[in-house]
Amino acid sequence: DTEVTQTPKHLVMGMTNKKSLKCEQHMGHRAMYWYKQKAKKPPELMFVYSYEKLSINESVPSRFSPECPNSSLLNLHLHALQPEDSALYLCASSPPGGNQPQHFGDGTRLSIL
Amino acid sequence: GQQVMQIPQYQHVQEGEDFTTYCNSSTTLSNIQWYKQRPGGHPVFLIQLVKSGEVKKQKRLTFQFGEAKKNSSLHITATQTTDVGTYFCALATGGNTGKLIFGQGTTLQVKP
Repeated sequence: DTEVTQTPKHLVMGMTNKKSLKCEQHMGHRAMYWYKQKAKKPPELMFVYSYEKLSINESVPSRFSPECPNSSLLNLHLHALQPEDSALYLCASSPPGGNQPQHFGDGTRLSIL
Repeated sequence: GQQVMQIPQYQHVQEGEDFTTYCNSSTTLSNIQWYKQRPGGHPVFLIQLVKSGEVKKQKRLTFQFGEAKKNSSLHITATQTTDVGTYFCALATGGNTGKLIFGQGTTLQVKP
């Protein structure tokens, strides 16, 4: 069982749609992350939130918009995505600070038509 | 920026054989983490190494951190079909960012 819950598990959307990915954790972690993972590749960091504030944006296109409403929730708002954005989107959490193990959710498998 | 190279990319073994994956960096690493991702699954944290020359064991898995802190290895003794998956090393870049840089991963297939 994963302690980081992501919804939905699968999402198919058109290029003009707006959708959101959700992530929730109840481990008291104050750092949360979004990663993008393409097939047969390692996870690529997109965003880091620390104490509900955005601390890292890895030059992600503005069609991806993260939000951290509280210490347990992390959202990723999607708008006008491109076919190359099809991937597995992973959320992770950890205690704050560097050098901490990260706990990953099962991910949302996103397909852009 | 810092990079970590991981080899081999793929490894096919017969059940019962040993398996090793290696991570190498051109710069000194502050620490290294290892994750396992089963097919269709998500990365799961295995271990973190921080000390020069450190060796840690988890049942059939042995993790090593090089003396110069520029390389690390994961060795599995007597593989089982449950060991199938992709093993990633990941460098925590330090500071307070929590940023991880993943190696390319080694995908292990085990033939029963």
